[in-house]
Amino acid sequence: DVKVTQSSRYLVKRTGEKVFLECVQDMDHENMFWYRQDPGLGLRLIYFSYDVKMKEKGDIPEGYSVSREKKERFSLILESASTNQTSMYLCASSPGQGAHSPYGYTFGSGTRLTVV
Amino acid sequence: QKEVEQNSGPLSVPEGAIASLNCTYSDRGSQSFFWYRQYSGKSPELIMSIYSNGDKEDGRFTAQLNKASQYVSLLIRDSQPSDSATYLCAFTFSGGYNKLIFGAGTRLAVHP
Repeated sequence: DVKVTQSSRYLVKRTGEKVFLECVQDMDHENMFWYRQDPGLGLRLIYFSYDVKMKEKGDIPEGYSVSREKKERFSLILESASTNQTSMYLCASSPGQGAHSPYGYTFGSGTRLTVV
Repeated sequence: QKEVEQNSGPLSVPEGAIASLNCTYSDRGSQSFFWYRQYSGKSPELIMSIYSNGDKEDGRFTAQLNKASQYVSLLIRDSQPSDSATYLCAFTFSGGYNKLIFGAGTRLAVHP
């Protein structure tokens, strides 16, 4: 089975801290994604990557950055955590190049981040 | 116009009934469509994919796609309390990359 592993299930950080969320997939997928999910707002795409060292902004990139130095690992960085970044963060991966890969995403189990 | 429209629910159905979940989308170039199930506090899991007009059946689940009308639906037959979850529809963004656009989800409650 495809596995997408997020390093932490729950995380509590202080305002202003730099926060790293790690995601690793073990199926050699080209594409990786970071979403946040908030009640009433659904899934919102923060950043995605379709190749090593490549990254593209999603719908809400402000306050975040990403790193993809290896194919299997995609890291989300909160440069200076703020309380409005308290959320569930979901990493996902998918195989295939191009716009219409038929495989869908596999999600990690999520990291519930609380910024105090 | 929102890219994806889903009724947020809750949709309440009795055990054993058919649950019908609907989704409309705005991107005419989309070619791949997905249904995800998400239990409370968990991450979404893929349950169905459909690419061609018509019906696709998998066990108790049937996905229906109508590209001309730009809607996709999910039928759950013989609904069980364990089907109670939020169901997200998603489709591939035709503008490039393997990017999915998600609906906000419909909450389904199956009561005994």
